Amino acid sequence: DTEVTQTPKHLVMGMTNKKSLKCEQHMGHRAMYWYKQKAKKPPELMFVYSYEKLSINESVPSRFSPECPNSSLLNLHLHALQPEDSALYLCASSQARTGYGYTFGSGTRLTVV
Amino acid sequence: DQQVKQNSPSLSVQEGRISILNCDYTNSMFDYFLWYKKYPAEGPTFLISISSIKDKNEDGRFTVFLNKSAKHLSLHIVPSQPGDSAVYFCAASERWEAAGNKLTFGGGTRVLVKP
Repeated sequence: DTEVTQTPKHLVMGMTNKKSLKCEQHMGHRAMYWYKQKAKKPPELMFVYSYEKLSINESVPSRFSPECPNSSLLNLHLHALQPEDSALYLCASSQARTGYGYTFGSGTRLTVV
Repeated sequence: DQQVKQNSPSLSVQEGRISILNCDYTNSMFDYFLWYKKYPAEGPTFLISISSIKDKNEDGRFTVFLNKSAKHLSLHIVPSQPGDSAVYFCAASERWEAAGNKLTFGGGTRVLVKP
């Protein structure tokens, strides 16, 4: 299995809703990542988990809350988002110490209304 | 401050010819470089990578060249095929042991291969 699977593929949520994005990989990768991509822009890093511990938070607002329940799963909990948070949210995984095999999922297209 | 730059936002090439995509970086701590291909509303697909200890890596139709002194890398696609039409991102990483690897992306180059 060489894939990173993200669910849901599309999500529409109101500004008062709470929702979660899910990411799963079975490549034995011990580093997992959340990126955000706005239209016509490159992906930007949000969070890095290494060996199930949060190692990098790129000054992301607290309305985004990541969670890594085990070595295969990564969640992103969303609460009280703003319309400007609408974007493609990408999960990725890699070997932790080398970065080899850096693989992205297909993303969740999030629209905040 | 953009640490990774792709100065050509678009490239048009005839099928069968060579596509050359360029990428420049400013951070001398970068030591691992990757190229990704991306279709709209999909995640980036890994193409090829190169470590800073090498100056060339080849995989099928794709070759990446690294010039460390110039802080420049390029991706060559030979021969170009219509299915290669997509946005190509250059990305760079510093090696942070045990902390995972942050990728810094360039702005992308849109490639159109004409039949």
